[in-house]
Amino acid sequence: ETGVTQTPRHLVMGMTNKKSLKCEQHLGHNAMYWYKQSAKKPLELMFVYNFKEQTENNSVPSRFSPECPNSSHLFLHLHTLQPEDSALYLCASSQVRDSAYEQYFGPGTRLTVT
Amino acid sequence: DQQVKQNSPSLSVQEGRISILNCDYTNSMFDYFLWYKKYPAEGPTFLISISSIKDKNEDGRFTVFLNKSAKHLSLHIVPSQPGDSAVYFCAASDSGTSGSRLTFGEGTQLTVNP
Repeated sequence: ETGVTQTPRHLVMGMTNKKSLKCEQHLGHNAMYWYKQSAKKPLELMFVYNFKEQTENNSVPSRFSPECPNSSHLFLHLHTLQPEDSALYLCASSQVRDSAYEQYFGPGTRLTVT
Repeated sequence: DQQVKQNSPSLSVQEGRISILNCDYTNSMFDYFLWYKKYPAEGPTFLISISSIKDKNEDGRFTVFLNKSAKHLSLHIVPSQPGDSAVYFCAASDSGTSGSRLTFGEGTQLTVNP
């Protein structure tokens, strides 16, 4: 596997379900991110992890719970979601350094909440 | 408060001609700018970037121009090819804050007609 991978690619869940999204990066990066992309809207940053430590929570509701066990893996645990949470969830990674902030994205998980 | 704006949701050009995608920003602290390309069912792919100390960066058919006084950047693709048809996002970063945080525009759908 190369780059950034995400599983599952598609997920349909009811409002009372609990599920988890998984992201893995094979680039040796030290930062990982969760983004949400809703239709016709810009990518919204949800969480940032630098060196496994959460450095940013962009006012995300507590029904979204991130976990970063190591610098290569990132999870997003989902519970009691709402239909408006249906979106494309993108994971990204980058090498944090003094200059250049290119982030490399996975293919995303298309989430539908019914 | 939309700090990065792409005012054209779509652009259509003929193969071989120039494509010009525009992006405006409001935060004067932004000092690094990036363009991403996104195909359907894939994550965004990094294309080209520019630091605020430059006004132009070129990579093959892609050139990014930065006008700091106008808080405006543009991506030129020449010659355009049908494979360039995708959604293009501009993004900006302020290295003085959390370093790798990117703020994205809404995206412009480019269609290159054969």
